[in-house]
Amino acid sequence: AQSVTQLGSHVSVSEGALVLLRCNYSSSVPPYLFWYVQYPNQGLQLLLKYTSAATLVKGINGFEAEFKKSETSFHLTKPSAHMSDAAEYFCAVSDPTGGSYIPTFGRGTSLIVHP
Amino acid sequence: DAGVTQSPTHLIKTRGQQVTLRCSPKSGHDTVSWYQQALGQGPQFIFQYYEEEERQRGNFPDRFSGHQFPNYSSELNVNALLLGDSALYLCASTFDRNTEAFFGQGTRLTVV
Repeated sequence: AQSVTQLGSHVSVSEGALVLLRCNYSSSVPPYLFWYVQYPNQGLQLLLKYTSAATLVKGINGFEAEFKKSETSFHLTKPSAHMSDAAEYFCAVSDPTGGSYIPTFGRGTSLIVHP
Repeated sequence: DAGVTQSPTHLIKTRGQQVTLRCSPKSGHDTVSWYQQALGQGPQFIFQYYEEEERQRGNFPDRFSGHQFPNYSSELNVNALLLGDSALYLCASTFDRNTEAFFGQGTRLTVV
């Protein structure tokens, strides 16, 4: 079974500051990992994914994440926050060996950006 | 390309009633998954449909059932609604087991 823990239900940053959203995973097999963003009253949009290629993954809107097997982490970062980044962010893990790729989501982290 | 579309966007039902939610997948996609997202929580997987059959199911009771049609669209049915079924129901589509799922905007179900 896989699981994801997102540290911090809320993260608050100033516009222009570094964004760091933490995600730790648990998986008995090499996982696939994802970050999704959800804006108010919207569905989920894929930001980036790790599927066993390069450990540093670049996504949309300037976000990137690094897969660290030794730390079982997949933290999301962005060098400079923008007001439009305010949203809910979900980390997810899936088991590719079973073939279904159905992700298990964390509880989410709400990113608040102050002017 | 309209992407994944869900209907209705909002719904209010009474406890004990039945509800049907609908999803049209992104063009070219043949697999539909349904998720329940309670307030303040991450999405929880309900089930996935492929080739008109339920391929995988999450930890949800039999009150939750689904269907996939030949045009790949899908329905989620919930019987004997409980207050705890109030949530945002999300549909996601993929092409077979491709890793990138596209989500609809969801149906907000309120049970009173």
